[in-house]
Amino acid sequence: NAGVTQTPKFRILKIGQSMTLQCTQDMNHNYMYWYRQDPGMGLKLIYYSVGAGITDKGEVPNGYNVSRSTTEDFPLRLELAAPSQTSVYFCASSYSTSGSRTGELFFGEGSRLTVL
Amino acid sequence: QKEVEQNSGPLSVPEGAIASLNCTYSDRGSQSFFWYRQYSGKSPELIMSIYSNGDKEDGRFTAQLNKASQYVSLLIRDSQPSDSATYLCAVNNGANSKLTFGKGITLSVRP
Repeated sequence: NAGVTQTPKFRILKIGQSMTLQCTQDMNHNYMYWYRQDPGMGLKLIYYSVGAGITDKGEVPNGYNVSRSTTEDFPLRLELAAPSQTSVYFCASSYSTSGSRTGELFFGEGSRLTVL
Repeated sequence: QKEVEQNSGPLSVPEGAIASLNCTYSDRGSQSFFWYRQYSGKSPELIMSIYSNGDKEDGRFTAQLNKASQYVSLLIRDSQPSDSATYLCAVNNGANSKLTFGKGITLSVRP
């Protein structure tokens, strides 16, 4: 079972470049999320989506954009990369809020991004 | 700003001991609470969830919730070296399954 798949796993960008982190899930989850994790800082929510065509900002959305054209895919776009965006990025998905599975996130393996 | 606070670590315990990990949260409207384990260089994985006051046991793990004190904890009995990881507390206030995570505490179990 693939679960949540992220690509690329590693990437080095130069300041000002743009790129897209890809995320796809095969569990038919409606909810998808992008988090970033900096050393010793836990996980910060960048953007999330409650279904195809619906996205919303999290805690730290500046410098990022997302789209959700299908249930399976939730790409994260970095425009004009800055050193402050150096981080590990995790995509996650979950069941809907109804029922006892609320808050059970399934994470991808992460994408380590360095901006130089 | 909803906050989730965890003890500053790292925490070191000998093999076979009980490890106690603590977490407090600021939003009284929070409805569900989670502990995720993250091995170094890996992604977080859910190990415990708790929704009502009291204790919930799953094998060597026990989650404890006290909503009046806004406090949730994780006890790991008979700690093993394989339990060495960072443990993240997460809280959900019910809105779109958006979790607020604590900074995590790193547990080291000494053989």
